[in-house]
Amino acid sequence: EDQVTQSPEALRLQEGESSSLNCSYTVSGLRGLFWYRQDPGKGPEFLFTLYSAGEEKEKERLKATLTKKESFLHITAPKPEDSATYLCAFYGGATNKLIFGTGTLLAVQP
Amino acid sequence: KAGVTQTPRYLIKTRGQQVTLSCSPISGHRSVSWYQQTPGQGLQFLFEYFSETQRNKGNFPGRFSGRQFSNSRSEMNVSTLELGDSALYLCASSLAGRDNEKLFFGSGTQLSVL
Repeated sequence: EDQVTQSPEALRLQEGESSSLNCSYTVSGLRGLFWYRQDPGKGPEFLFTLYSAGEEKEKERLKATLTKKESFLHITAPKPEDSATYLCAFYGGATNKLIFGTGTLLAVQP
Repeated sequence: KAGVTQTPRYLIKTRGQQVTLSCSPISGHRSVSWYQQTPGQGLQFLFEYFSETQRNKGNFPGRFSGRQFSNSRSEMNVSTLELGDSALYLCASSLAGRDNEKLFFGSGTQLSVL
């Protein structure tokens, strides 16, 4: 069964303390790996799409990378405004729908 | 450009009732998808509509239904509500619903079933 697992479930960082969030997936024929950010009381907001192993994308303090079995969201020198739930999702295999992980709740303390 | 608009923002219903949620996509977007979000299960795909036709459906019972109008606005309906239907219902739109398109989400409708 196609599935995606995110870890850790929650992460607390001090401002400036870099870290990485993990998204591991099992699917044959990945067609796209997505990262979204969700703030409390809002819908998810698109961050990145990755298509093939080795691909990397950056936006401000965030960098997403992709291997054949997992994706990482690296957060460099985070600020309190980076606090949110980060969701990964993929299209692939026999499914024609976007399958989401349950997210990582990130809290960055000043 | 206005974003995806969902109404109402909050809804409280009792078991056995039915509910209709509304979604207005971004202007020009023809694909509308619906998701159910709960703390334990995360985002679960309900269905996707494109040009008034249901193109894809998730694993939800027939009590969950939807439709799309000619102006791309969409509604979803849940009949005979159960306690477990309490969730945040999110609508997302995209231009054509292709795999590589990013989704634009609304802020959701928070449904509480008592």
